[in-house]
Amino acid sequence: KAGVTQTPRYLIKTRGQQVTLSCSPISGHRSVSWYQQTPGQGLQFLFEYFSETQRNKGNFPGRFSGRQFSNSRSEMNVSTLELGDSALYLCASSLGGWGNENTEAFFGQGTRLTVV
Amino acid sequence: KQEVTQIPAALSVPEGENLVLNCSFTDSAIYNLQWFRQDPGKGLTSLLLIQSSQREQTSGRLNASLDKSSGRSTLYIAASQPGDSATYLCAVTTVGSSNTGKLIFGQGTTLQVKP
Repeated sequence: KAGVTQTPRYLIKTRGQQVTLSCSPISGHRSVSWYQQTPGQGLQFLFEYFSETQRNKGNFPGRFSGRQFSNSRSEMNVSTLELGDSALYLCASSLGGWGNENTEAFFGQGTRLTVV
Repeated sequence: KQEVTQIPAALSVPEGENLVLNCSFTDSAIYNLQWFRQDPGKGLTSLLLIQSSQREQTSGRLNASLDKSSGRSTLYIAASQPGDSATYLCAVTTVGSSNTGKLIFGQGTTLQVKP
């Protein structure tokens, strides 16, 4: 059974550009969550999608957006990149039954974004 | 607002030692708690999931306990090996519609096991 796949693994972008990251969840999983990891702030929640709908959003500016497709694959977009957006971006997939204590999250390998 | 704290931030032990990593959380209304392992520059690997109704879970040399009322969890690693060297993170899923799909993480404990 394939795990969570994130592409690309590494990205280098210039300030002001935009970037799109992709996440393919485990087959059968309908929930995809995105997190930003930095040395100073640790892991911070960006947003969560379930059945193509955003169910929750963290405290990030509107430059950070996402979407989910009918096959549960998700994309995250960051516009007008800033140096501070340099981070490891991780996505997690789960069956989606939040509110169910059995729900386990599985993470991908992440996309390392460097903004120069 | 849920806050998760992990102590210690770093730990260095000789191979073969048994060790305990600590995780505490401020809001006891949780669905579950997960322990993850992260190698440098890599993603997170799920180690154990403890449901809110459970007291502990075991997987190989790992044992995790949960005391929801006191807001604490411990990860016990038996007979540590150099391959156990990594950062260990705990995360909780909190009850409430505003917490849907959101894991709250601690800052992690970085473990080094010396041969």
